[in-house]
Amino acid sequence: GAGVSQSPSNKVTEKGKDVELRCDPISGHTALYWYRQRLGQGLEFLIYFQGNSAPDKSGLPSDRFSAERTGESVSTLTIQRTQQEDSAVYLCASSPIGGSSTDTQYFGPGTRLTVL
Amino acid sequence: AQSVAQPEDQVNVAEGNPLTVKCTYSVSGNPYLFWYVQYPNRGLQFLLKYITGDNLVKGSYGFEAEFNKSQTSFHLKKPSALVSDSALYFCAVRDNTGGFKTIFGAGTRLFVKA
Repeated sequence: GAGVSQSPSNKVTEKGKDVELRCDPISGHTALYWYRQRLGQGLEFLIYFQGNSAPDKSGLPSDRFSAERTGESVSTLTIQRTQQEDSAVYLCASSPIGGSSTDTQYFGPGTRLTVL
Repeated sequence: AQSVAQPEDQVNVAEGNPLTVKCTYSVSGNPYLFWYVQYPNRGLQFLLKYITGDNLVKGSYGFEAEFNKSQTSFHLKKPSALVSDSALYFCAVRDNTGGFKTIFGAGTRLFVKA
């Protein structure tokens, strides 16, 4: 596709349930990022993947959060035993390496997660 | 540790007037600096970046930003604001030590009044 896509666009779940969020980066982009944006707040870094290197997980808020990425393709962010404070928009971005677009992040539309 | 500060939660400006959205940063090493914009009901979009070279960077929609190393600032500016510039603006930084972890500021909401 032309841009970063995320699914689902909206997810409503009950407290305690697990959720899985998906991100399809732009083809050929080796870097992939996950951010959390709570209502009215800025972006909170969660994790990033760079090619086959070990991911930087330093932003994950607890061990209930995990993310995987296979090669340079799809990534999934999993939240186990969801809590109400997990309610937020989860944004994914990808970035190419090399060329004039290096370092520029291209964002997906986000997944709005609501935990009841 | 990297950090970004956007000292103003909100900036109000009249259409046609110049606008400035402030950003200061802290990184070890040389910074890579970015501005992104989030329009209502739309995703985050890249606006401009400073990697190296000229301190004045020009970007999309007539925006520009000036890198000031001594003041560790990267303020966003536009000579003449439009109502359509009303949006949420984020400053972001990462260092040039090889990683791609990017830290975003809390955002500044810009209101341009007709």
